[in-house]
Amino acid sequence: QSALTQPASVSGSPGQAITISCSGTSDDVGGYRYVSWYQQHPGKAPKLLIFDVSKRPSGVSNRFSGSKSGNTASLTVSGLQAEDEADYYCSSYTIRSTWVFGGGTKLTVL
Amino acid sequence: EVQLVESGGRLVQPGGSLRLSCVASGFTFSNYNMKWVRQAPGKGLEWVAYINSGGTIIYYADSVQGRLTISRDNARKSLYLQMDSLRAEDTALYYCARGDDDYGPDPVLSMDVWGQGTAVTVSS
Repeated sequence: QSALTQPASVSGSPGQAITISCSGTSDDVGGYRYVSWYQQHPGKAPKLLIFDVSKRPSGVSNRFSGSKSGNTASLTVSGLQAEDEADYYCSSYTIRSTWVFGGGTKLTVL
Repeated sequence: EVQLVESGGRLVQPGGSLRLSCVASGFTFSNYNMKWVRQAPGKGLEWVAYINSGGTIIYYADSVQGRLTISRDNARKSLYLQMDSLRAEDTALYYCARGDDDYGPDPVLSMDVWGQGTAVTVSS
């Protein structure tokens, strides 16, 4: 199972919006609504940001939003803040009853 | 407080064995499916294994199939990962993560609670 494809890095200034893409296939991202996004700060465990493509768990800021078109999912972070600087991973359930993660994207707040 | 605490990671020689544990608290462990996810040093996340709430349905990543075994003891609120025939490429921080309530109405197949991880190093 190949990893989902994410850009290695993205950056933006405080207050701006950025979008991270996550490309898969019809066997994973394109075939299911079970796409989730995780935020990981250095030395910390991952934190669930988005599930079911676009839903936010209780307590997650509405500055984080998710979407999907075809085989590509996206995470948008609006109103960038310094605390958003972290690594971001997408994940999808797959046709083989397994899960696959993206390679991760490092977000830098300039 | 909902919490997962992993233990058991250590330095082990190639070909060796190890058993990781994850103890849950703050929620009805026996209702939830669970997963192991690992992260090699400086690398991304890799899903390793899944087990349903009753321990009767199990899936593995191809990279660990036949060498790693996931199991659980609901009475002890514990998740395990038996690791055999270890290789250098198994070196990673191993996280346990909570999945869905198998008795809930609508599965979302994500991982909403994570432990802090336990480090496994495979080296001679």
